Amino acid sequence: ETGVTQSPTHLIKTRGQQVTLRCSSQSGHNTVSWYQQALGQGPQFIFQYYREEENGRGNFPPRFSGLQFPNYSSELNVNALELDDSALYLCASSTRQGTYEQYFGPGTRLTVT
Amino acid sequence: EDQVTQSPEALRLQEGESSSLNCSYTVSGLRGLFWYRQDPGKGPEFLFTLYSAGEEKEKERLKATLTKKESFLHITAPKPEDSATYLCAVHNQAGTALIFGKGTTLSVSS
Repeated sequence: ETGVTQSPTHLIKTRGQQVTLRCSSQSGHNTVSWYQQALGQGPQFIFQYYREEENGRGNFPPRFSGLQFPNYSSELNVNALELDDSALYLCASSTRQGTYEQYFGPGTRLTVT
Repeated sequence: EDQVTQSPEALRLQEGESSSLNCSYTVSGLRGLFWYRQDPGKGPEFLFTLYSAGEEKEKERLKATLTKKESFLHITAPKPEDSATYLCAVHNQAGTALIFGKGTTLSVSS
């Protein structure tokens, strides 16, 4: 069974630029959620995708957007990067049946300078 | 507002010294309480799900328990490899998002 994978591992961007992060869900999972984790904090929910539609959103501005593809993989796009966007970005996959447990990938470390 | 509070923020133990981590939660209708382990710079690793008061789950040296207001993660005879940040989370009312606490960072020395 393949776990959740994310790419890239690390990324350095300049303020004002745009970034795309990628996630492949665990086999058998059809739901993908994205979280932002600042240093010393717990993960904060950005949004969730189910059947290629946004299925819930946290308190993040519209410059954070996403996509889910027919194979359940997903992208997180962030426009007009700000210094405060520097964080570990986590993708989690789950199934909407049963226990709804979310399984996380290794994360992408984004640094905005 | 749904909220999760973990204590203590940090805990230092000697190898073999048992202790407990606390997770207090406020949520409208519990749809699941989750414990994760996170190593530095890595994604959270799923440990347990608890659904109803009185439920207990065990895995190696870890045991999670649940009451109507809080959950405990008991660590029995810890080893240095148990050193990590332990995160507690609950589902939001819609069942879409996990709401996390800030975590407890456990350090076990030999």
